[in-house]
Amino acid sequence: DIVMTQTPLSSPVTLGQPASISCRSNQSLVHSDGNTYLSWLQQRPGQPPRLLIYKISNRISGVPDRFSGSGAGTDFTLKISRVEAEDVGVYYCMQTARYSRSFGQGTKVEIK
Amino acid sequence: EVHLLESGGGLVQPGGSLRLSCAASGFTFSNSVMNWVRQAPGKGLVWVSTIGRHGDTYYTDSVKGRFTISRDDSKNTLYLQMNTLRAEDTAIYYCAKDLPGDIFASDYWGQGILVTVSS
Repeated sequence: DIVMTQTPLSSPVTLGQPASISCRSNQSLVHSDGNTYLSWLQQRPGQPPRLLIYKISNRISGVPDRFSGSGAGTDFTLKISRVEAEDVGVYYCMQTARYSRSFGQGTKVEIK
Repeated sequence: EVHLLESGGGLVQPGGSLRLSCAASGFTFSNSVMNWVRQAPGKGLVWVSTIGRHGDTYYTDSVKGRFTISRDDSKNTLYLQMNTLRAEDTAIYYCAKDLPGDIFASDYWGQGILVTVSS
């Protein structure tokens, strides 16, 4: 099974400052078709998850450009360039590399 | 506008069964990969099952042999038949559709439905 490990699990951030979340897998996420199906989701309190980024770095339409994704192989990062109040919530990475999917444990972003 | 509406949740005793439904609208359901994801109270997201456009199915190990995902493209509806339910199956269950084109990421999610397994 592919295990996704996120760090940190909690990230208190000052408004306007950057935030960074790491996601590591226990095996390569490169699919047999050559793509890497690593996505990032945001879950605001009391809401269903919302897709932010797919295939490592592709932002969904409507997602602010302060969100960016990067990485390769087993190491991936979500960055928020300047945190705003509406960014509070839990962020999850998710992989689809084989005939299954798995999520990281989630990283809670809160305002200091 | 894309809409996913789950139904069929509720309270069930351990060992019992439930069937969840997810009514879809606003997109071409038959062309979409569909998923069930659950979230226990106060916990993280857990992938449960996926069904491909051609009916191929995939399950997380903890539900294999107990849960069955299916779809009725004529009714634009996704299902999850849950048998031999356990206390640890208690969660909000979300229905989610994947981006088109085999991108394997879920761009729309329902509001979720609560399943409680308890005596």
